[in-house]
Amino acid sequence: GAVVSQHPSRVICKSGTSVKIECRSLDFQATTMFWYRQFPKQSLMLMATSNEGSKATYEQGVEKDKFLINHASLTLSTLTVTSAHPEDSSFYICSARDRANLSPLHFGNGTRLTVT
Amino acid sequence: QKEVEQNSGPLSVPEGAIASLNCTYSDRGSQSFFWYRQYSGKSPELIMFIYSNGDKEDGRFTAQLNKASQYVSLLIRDSQPSDSATYLCAVKEYSSASKIIFGSGTRLSIRP
Repeated sequence: GAVVSQHPSRVICKSGTSVKIECRSLDFQATTMFWYRQFPKQSLMLMATSNEGSKATYEQGVEKDKFLINHASLTLSTLTVTSAHPEDSSFYICSARDRANLSPLHFGNGTRLTVT
Repeated sequence: QKEVEQNSGPLSVPEGAIASLNCTYSDRGSQSFFWYRQYSGKSPELIMFIYSNGDKEDGRFTAQLNKASQYVSLLIRDSQPSDSATYLCAVKEYSSASKIIFGSGTRLSIRP
């Protein structure tokens, strides 16, 4: 089945620094990838839709200058959390969809971000 | 605002029994429906997807879709303790090529 690889799985950073999270589709091409955030005991909240070769589409309330998304190829999207603050600590999950057959979303394993 | 509603639970079911998880959605034009399972601290994994009215069976899992009632359900037969997890219902918006809306999830607990 379709595999989405996300890296790193865990990261701890200091306030004010930036963190980059990578999301790769390993065995399929994904023109669109999605970035979600999940706080403890809450559901997935879509942050942005990442489109290959164009600007990402951000959901209402998500700061595009703080959460930089780059989707440079059909298999790689990155999310950079800039000037991280403790309230950005969360579980970030990427997902992708095989453009060939419009299959359901497949998720990466997630990145647990802790900002101290 | 498109919505996907689920009972948060917890839903407690004895081992070996049938667990029934329900979901309603507001976008009448939605075409694709998904059930994901999420263990604590892990990312969601796809259990089943369904596009057409009726039932779709895969092993111990059966997804049921009723578009007229805007209702989708997941049945888990012969429940096992390993089925204890949060189950997320997801619906693909009709108005968007790709955007999928998730419910808040139902926490299922299978008691031995």
